[in-house]
Amino acid sequence: EVQLLQSGGGLVRPGESLRLACAASGFTFSTYAMNWVRQPPGKGLQWVSSIIGSGATTYYADSVKGRFTISRDNSKNILYLQMNNLRADDTALYYCAKVGVVGEGGFFDHWGQGVRVTVSS
Amino acid sequence: DIQMTQSPSTLSASVGDRVTITCRASQSFSRWLAWYQQKPGKAPKLLIYLESTLESGVPSRFSGSGSGTEFTLTISSLQPDDFATYYCQQYHSYPLSFGGGTKVEIK
Repeated sequence: EVQLLQSGGGLVRPGESLRLACAASGFTFSTYAMNWVRQPPGKGLQWVSSIIGSGATTYYADSVKGRFTISRDNSKNILYLQMNNLRADDTALYYCAKVGVVGEGGFFDHWGQGVRVTVSS
Repeated sequence: DIQMTQSPSTLSASVGDRVTITCRASQSFSRWLAWYQQKPGKAPKLLIYLESTLESGVPSRFSGSGSGTEFTLTISSLQPDDFATYYCQQYHSYPLSFGGGTKVEIK
């Protein structure tokens, strides 16, 4: 059974940093691209970032480019999102999500439980 | 970048109704579209991928279709468990993008 267990959310002040983690199990982690998707309070889903299975290629939404870094540790089956210089509009529920097919990009067939990130002074 | 526009944003319907949700893309692409259902306090759930392929375990009352820039999610006979918010998502190209969502409410 595929499981994605997230950790690392919290309350931070503008300009501070936070690292999210997503521990994966139940599938061959290194063969699937992984993603971060966020949902601001009361709003819709926003794609944040993707990383291919090997970790060699990453993609970012313009709104987080240069501030967020996605990475993965395939030896530990963990996906990360390092978030620097956080802003109030980064406040959201953050989900990690696994793509549904081996390879790059795609749709998301399994999601983590979500962690809340609140940026406020 | 591909923008996805969903309509309507809210839909009121009764159990047994046929429901149609539309997603329009700012550029034409073929089939790289998924649909998700989200209930309050829960993570989204994949319903359909590749425009019309039903995810395993999803009831057959859900179906997807599309052509070029217009894609449709249809629920043939709305059930009590289907009251939720639905999102489309394109995965034709980066940046990946979602529609704004359609909330299906009880009439």
